[in-house]
Amino acid sequence: QVQLKASGPRLVRPSETLSLTCTVSGGSISDYYWSWIRRSPGKGLEWIGYISYSGSSNYNPSLKRRATISVDTSQSQFSLKLTSLTAADTAVYYCARDLNYGGNSLGWLDPWGQGTLVTVSS
Amino acid sequence: DIVMTQSPDSLAVSLGERATINCKSSQSVLYNSNNKNYLAWYQQKPGQTPKLLIYWASTREFGVPDRFSGSGSGTDFNLTISSLQAEDVAVYYCQQYYSTPYTFGQGTKLEIK
Repeated sequence: QVQLKASGPRLVRPSETLSLTCTVSGGSISDYYWSWIRRSPGKGLEWIGYISYSGSSNYNPSLKRRATISVDTSQSQFSLKLTSLTAADTAVYYCARDLNYGGNSLGWLDPWGQGTLVTVSS
Repeated sequence: DIVMTQSPDSLAVSLGERATINCKSSQSVLYNSNNKNYLAWYQQKPGQTPKLLIYWASTREFGVPDRFSGSGSGTDFNLTISSLQAEDVAVYYCQQYYSTPYTFGQGTKLEIK
């Protein structure tokens, strides 16, 4: 059964860049899409974006191009970089699998990895 | 963006009773070409990750108890738990995947009365 685990720093300073990695185990990273989602008190669940195993990506415009998602199929990992952090980026960050439907993201997310709380503070 | 609005924000139901959560989308999530509603429901229990319950608005994910059902079409959807069990205490979210950015409802907290 596929499992996802996010890792990265718990505390990041304002204006800096957040880097998170999600490791996929128990299944192949190929033939799927992979998403990042976050949950903050102010905005609830927010989809950040996805990447396919082949590297095509799509992002939420609300992040104003601060997010970049990459994939490393050799390591069965995908990563999120979020730049120019502010307190509003404080959230629990989740990674999740999205299905490949005819070469496109299908959109429902299953399974989700254990969330990691990231606090942006000086 | 498609805005998803759930009601109520919180709900307290007695054990064995029916619980119904509503989700409305700001535009239709029904694709006419395949007659499918691009709507999913998730359950997030305390301290756990969100778990997919239902997709295509009414298809239960494998292993989800049949007391959970999804209904609706277009812009108006319901998640119904036919007979509430103690283990169903959770926050429930709807999500549209009709178009990006995928968006979620604000969540409905379900408790035991």
